[in-house]
Amino acid sequence: QVQMQESGPGLVKPSQTLSLTCSVAGGSIKRGDSFWNWIRQAPGKGLEWIGNIYHSGTTYYNPSLKGRITISLDTSKNDFSLEVKSVTAADTAVYFCARGRMNFFDSWGLGSLVTVSS
Amino acid sequence: DIQMTQSPSTLSASIGDTVSISCRASQNLNRWLAWYQQKPGKAPKLLIHETSTLESGVPSRFSGSGSGTEFTLTISSLQPDDFATYYCQQYNSYITFGQGTRLEIK
Repeated sequence: QVQMQESGPGLVKPSQTLSLTCSVAGGSIKRGDSFWNWIRQAPGKGLEWIGNIYHSGTTYYNPSLKGRITISLDTSKNDFSLEVKSVTAADTAVYFCARGRMNFFDSWGLGSLVTVSS
Repeated sequence: DIQMTQSPSTLSASIGDTVSISCRASQNLNRWLAWYQQKPGKAPKLLIHETSTLESGVPSRFSGSGSGTEFTLTISSLQPDDFATYYCQQYNSYITFGQGTRLEIK
């Protein structure tokens, strides 16, 4: 299985853009049987799928978040990224990256806590 | 959106017990349902996909069943390591998770 690691700022101000990167090791992000996903978990809450990207660059986003989300791929670095625009306190969460195999998730990063606060 | 409802929210059990967690979908999922185990401060771990296919390395005391809109995760002969929170996830149309079931020691 691949190893995945999220990175990015742990604190973002309200109305600004949250940016995270997921580095993938032990497998190519260009493999055709995988989708590359972002999932988040607010403190003490359940899991929420944010969206994913295929190696071709095709993206799928959670309809409830669409319009604020951008997921992109950097095949030269073997990583993918998440941007969430116009954040509020409701976007405070642990953000996980995960590999999707037929849209279930078999490899996960450790998670990155992002707090939205002034 | 497909809504996923798990029950119970909390389940108390003892070592050696057999327990079941239910997951109900608002629409037909065919068999596109997965189960995860999550421990505090950790990422979820895939247990089962396509309703009943055990992921490699997962103990055989975990099993999944169901179809359509009703699904069940069963854990036989509970071990100390099994006390955690469990989530179902549908992948028939976009992706949504259940709200989780916390399995605690009685």
